[in-house]
Amino acid sequence: QLQLQESGPGLVKPSETLSLTCTVSGGPITSGIYYWGWIRQPPGRGLEWIASVYFSGSSQDNPSLKSRVTISVDTSKNQFSLKVTSLTAADTAVYYCARQGGYGSPKYGFDVWGQGTTVTVSS
Amino acid sequence: QSALTQPPSASGSPGQSVTISCTGTSSDVGAYDYVSWYQQHPGKAPKLIISEVTKRPSGVPDRFSGSKSGNTASLTVSGLQAEDEADYYCNSYAGSHNYVIFGGGTKLTVL
Repeated sequence: QLQLQESGPGLVKPSETLSLTCTVSGGPITSGIYYWGWIRQPPGRGLEWIASVYFSGSSQDNPSLKSRVTISVDTSKNQFSLKVTSLTAADTAVYYCARQGGYGSPKYGFDVWGQGTTVTVSS
Repeated sequence: QSALTQPPSASGSPGQSVTISCTGTSSDVGAYDYVSWYQQHPGKAPKLIISEVTKRPSGVPDRFSGSKSGNTASLTVSGLQAEDEADYYCNSYAGSHNYVIFGGGTKLTVL
């Protein structure tokens, strides 16, 4: 059974960089069928897609985040990661990692989700 | 990149049917059959309940169904049950520039 687990700091300071990692267990991240993505949810608000990556390193990110985002994959560790720079309070959210299936395209929905990790941006 | 438009709330009594709409544009919902729906209970991660407009993943009850007409996708929950009370989100592929957009979410209340 595929499982995803987010890890990273719960508290970061404004203007700093957030680094999160998603560890995939129960299946290889190198499956050519899936993309792997990050989605966030500010307190009391809706979902926002951040970025998605393929095992080859090919990636897409949300243009509204104005190039503050980097997504990468480490196939040797079966992990993918997210960096968000120039943090502000508006980046405070629950961050989810998820599998985006299938057929090797980012067009599909997110069918397996991690439990989420809460990130607070505050001095 | 604008979010898809969903009604903030919907409600129905047990056993009734309720439909939640998700309105986009001719560049996202109207252009592609890649609309998904998610159910989210408080404090939990979202769960995929409909993909590619109409497809139900394994284990999702057939009380949940999806459809699309023009720029609007819809989720229908038939035979409402208490456990269906949750937030529901739609998302759509939006082309090679915007890729993925979500709706603002609809809180479904079972009266």
